[in-house]
Amino acid sequence: QQQVKQSPQSLIVQKGGIPIINCAYENTAFDYFPWYQQFPGKGPALLIAIRPDVSEKKEGRFTISFNKSAKQFSLHIMDSQPGDSATYFCASGGSNYKLTFGKGTLLTVNP
Amino acid sequence: EAQVTQNPRYLITVTGKKLTVTCSQNMNHEYMSWYRQDPGLGLRQIYYSMNVEVTDKGDVPEGYKVSRKEKRNFPLILESPSPNQTSLYFCASGGTGSSYNEQFFGPGTRLTVL
Repeated sequence: QQQVKQSPQSLIVQKGGIPIINCAYENTAFDYFPWYQQFPGKGPALLIAIRPDVSEKKEGRFTISFNKSAKQFSLHIMDSQPGDSATYFCASGGSNYKLTFGKGTLLTVNP
Repeated sequence: EAQVTQNPRYLITVTGKKLTVTCSQNMNHEYMSWYRQDPGLGLRQIYYSMNVEVTDKGDVPEGYKVSRKEKRNFPLILESPSPNQTSLYFCASGGTGSSYNEQFFGPGTRLTVL
């Protein structure tokens, strides 16, 4: 069964736009919610992560918003650039190191 | 440089010919894991290891074996590969402490089984 649902599957924005990618999880035991960024031909790399004791975390142009009651979290990319074009994966994890990943969102930022 | 390395990066083989994909990390991580990535399916965990000599099945373990004899190495073994194992494979490792969940991924191995 899919425990982390990610949407949309793909997203196209213009440079300077604010793409938003959403994820929903089922397991209330999850306490770690990262976003990974993957460029073609590369492995995923951690972009930003949040724990449920805060509702928002910002690192540079990337922000995670977290809604514990709704079991949802989202990634916002401010002032998006063509270099942000990549596949983004959300994930959820608990105390046993295991991460459950969403299916990914292919983001294209047009110049 | 802290990294996860995988070899080979590309491999074309035939059905039934045993193969091993190696994975090594230099960060002294306890946790290591193998994933496969397929279009539209995201990253699915094959096997993971919490420490030396401790391994367990992930979500899609059928047709794969692993071993963890040393902390730094975690090879993935396909004893009788089949075409449905054609995929992009990633090894990952994770640390302990406050960032115990964070996983570092290798560059990937693209496997084609004919």
